[in-house]
Amino acid sequence: NAGVTQTPKFQVLKTGQSMTLQCAQDMNHNSMYWYRQDPGMGLRLIYYSASEGTTDKGEVPNGYNVSRLNKREFSLRLESAAPSQTSVYFCAIRTGGAGANVLTFGAGSRLTVL
Amino acid sequence: ELKVEQNPLFLSMQEGKNYTIYCNYSTTSDRLYWYRQDPGKSLESLFVLLSNGAVKQEGRLMASLDTKARLSTLHITAAVHDLSATYFCAVLSQGGSEKLVFGKGTKLTVNP
Repeated sequence: NAGVTQTPKFQVLKTGQSMTLQCAQDMNHNSMYWYRQDPGMGLRLIYYSASEGTTDKGEVPNGYNVSRLNKREFSLRLESAAPSQTSVYFCAIRTGGAGANVLTFGAGSRLTVL
Repeated sequence: ELKVEQNPLFLSMQEGKNYTIYCNYSTTSDRLYWYRQDPGKSLESLFVLLSNGAVKQEGRLMASLDTKARLSTLHITAAVHDLSATYFCAVLSQGGSEKLVFGKGTKLTVNP
């Protein structure tokens, strides 16, 4: 997963706790994404950011906030974690030449909410 | 709203056999992607299909796109155990939103 670094890789939270998942890229790309993956559900888009300072909602944004303060970093925050947010979270960046728009994914962050 | 459906969701096959995974999508798009995911790992890009009739091949995998039918196929030829993984198709939503919508994935198991 060269170029996309996610932290932490694993986290256990209690219901109501807050935390931030961090994503950083070293390839100077504009577009960054946060997906969650649940068994049998594929990947669902939470939020994405087309450029520094802009963010847009995806399919499942409720319960999350994001921040894109600079081009390199895109963070995902859970203000009050719920068991339904137990999932594997993937950050991705859009790479490839003009017209390709390939998403390159980070290694993932496994979150458990008790 | 763009919907992406894959079938089958589970596929168990013997080594040496051929099979096809199907990916249907509900609204117009001119970009379709196939990804592979091994258990506990991230997603790896396999193919990008950018136009009607596009065909890409890599080893025992071949992907094709029919934009008129809104259908992509991933064909597996003479399967080997190393191909066991979950395969996802993903479709780019039109209208400049840059949203990539994924299917639920096909879990492929290749048995010796």
